[in-house]
Amino acid sequence: ETGVTQSPTHLIKTRGQQVTLRCSSQSGHNTVSWYQQALGQGPQFIFQYYREEENGRGNFPPRFSGLQFPNYSSELNVNALELDDSALYLCASSLGQGGPREQYFGPGTRLTVT
Amino acid sequence: EDQVTQSPEALRLQEGESSSLNCSYTVSGLRGLFWYRQDPGKGPEFLFTLYSAGEEKEKERLKATLTKKESFLHITAPKPEDSATYLCAVQARRGGSQGNLIFGKGTKLSVKP
Repeated sequence: ETGVTQSPTHLIKTRGQQVTLRCSSQSGHNTVSWYQQALGQGPQFIFQYYREEENGRGNFPPRFSGLQFPNYSSELNVNALELDDSALYLCASSLGQGGPREQYFGPGTRLTVT
Repeated sequence: EDQVTQSPEALRLQEGESSSLNCSYTVSGLRGLFWYRQDPGKGPEFLFTLYSAGEEKEKERLKATLTKKESFLHITAPKPEDSATYLCAVQARRGGSQGNLIFGKGTKLSVKP
């Protein structure tokens, strides 16, 4: 069984630039959620995709956007990067909808904005 | 407002010294409570899901329990390899997304040999 993978591992960008982060979900999982984890904090929910449609969003501005593809992989796009966007970005996959579902996390992408 | 508070923020134990981590939550209807372990620079690793008050789950040296207001993660005779940050998260009935896990800040556990 293949786990959740993310790319790239690390990324350094300049304020104002745009970035795309990628995630491949665990085999058999059709739901992907994205989280932002600042240093010393717990992960914060950005949004979730289920069967290629956004299915819930946290308190993040529209410059955070995403996609899910037919193979259930996903992208997180961030436009007009700000210094506060520096964080570990985590992707988590799960199966189905309805009821509490265990989410399995990838290793994360460390984004540094200078 | 849905909220999760974990205590203590950090805990140092000697190898073999048992203890408990606390997760207090305020949520408008609990769908599930989750415990994760996170090593530095890595993604959280799933440990347990608890659904209702009175439920308990065990895995090796870890045991998770749930009441209507809090959850405990008991660590029995810990080893240095148990050192990590332990995260608690809840999923609320209110809100449309199944993905919206609300996390606490975590408890950083250090176990010295």
